[in-house]
Amino acid sequence: AQTVTQSQPEMSVQEAETVTLSCTYDTSESDYYLFWYKQPPSRQMILVIRQEAYKQQNATENRFSVNFQKAAKSFSLKISDSQLGDAAMYFCAYREGKSSGDKLTFGTGTRLAVRP
Amino acid sequence: DSGVTQTPKHLITATGQRVTLRCSPRSGDLSVYWYQQSLDQGLQFLIQYYNGEERAKGNILERFSAQQFPDLHSELNLSSLELGDSALYFCASSATWGVAEKLFFGSGTQLSVL
Repeated sequence: AQTVTQSQPEMSVQEAETVTLSCTYDTSESDYYLFWYKQPPSRQMILVIRQEAYKQQNATENRFSVNFQKAAKSFSLKISDSQLGDAAMYFCAYREGKSSGDKLTFGTGTRLAVRP
Repeated sequence: DSGVTQTPKHLITATGQRVTLRCSPRSGDLSVYWYQQSLDQGLQFLIQYYNGEERAKGNILERFSAQQFPDLHSELNLSSLELGDSALYFCASSATWGVAEKLFFGSGTQLSVL
């Protein structure tokens, strides 16, 4: 079964600084997607960024970028110029497409605090 | 606003009771997914429907059932509730199915079983 591991339950970053959240996953598939979701106190699940496994180029979305190491099955999220609004739970997720369904498998999350 | 509507936002009930959670997907989306977020189990996939048909089933208890209606809204029925069923239940929708499809999440229904 596919598993997603986030080894950092909590992280803290100074406003305007850079922080990296770690994620590893386990799969034997070749066609899959990886995601980072943000869950602020409002509880809404917000897609931050996604990466297609077949693309070697790392995805970027404004201040958010990933470091995708396919061979190592690692998918970390870098947040640059951290803002107070970035404080939230961050979930790494894996998704593969199969005839049996295309569910998201989530990690346990990393709670990010941003210090003013 | 994701366009996915979940009602009610909060639900408080007692053990042994039955509740129904409702989800209206984004306009035009054919796929609906249900996820459960609890403190001890984290975020878990429950079930997926596509255009009225069940497409995939995850860690959904036999006491739980779901369906997707012809107008594409979905309902998750939870029966014989136990304390451990207290959780945040998310609905998500996508235009169709497949690994590349973007999921849009609702705000969730917070279920408290007392």
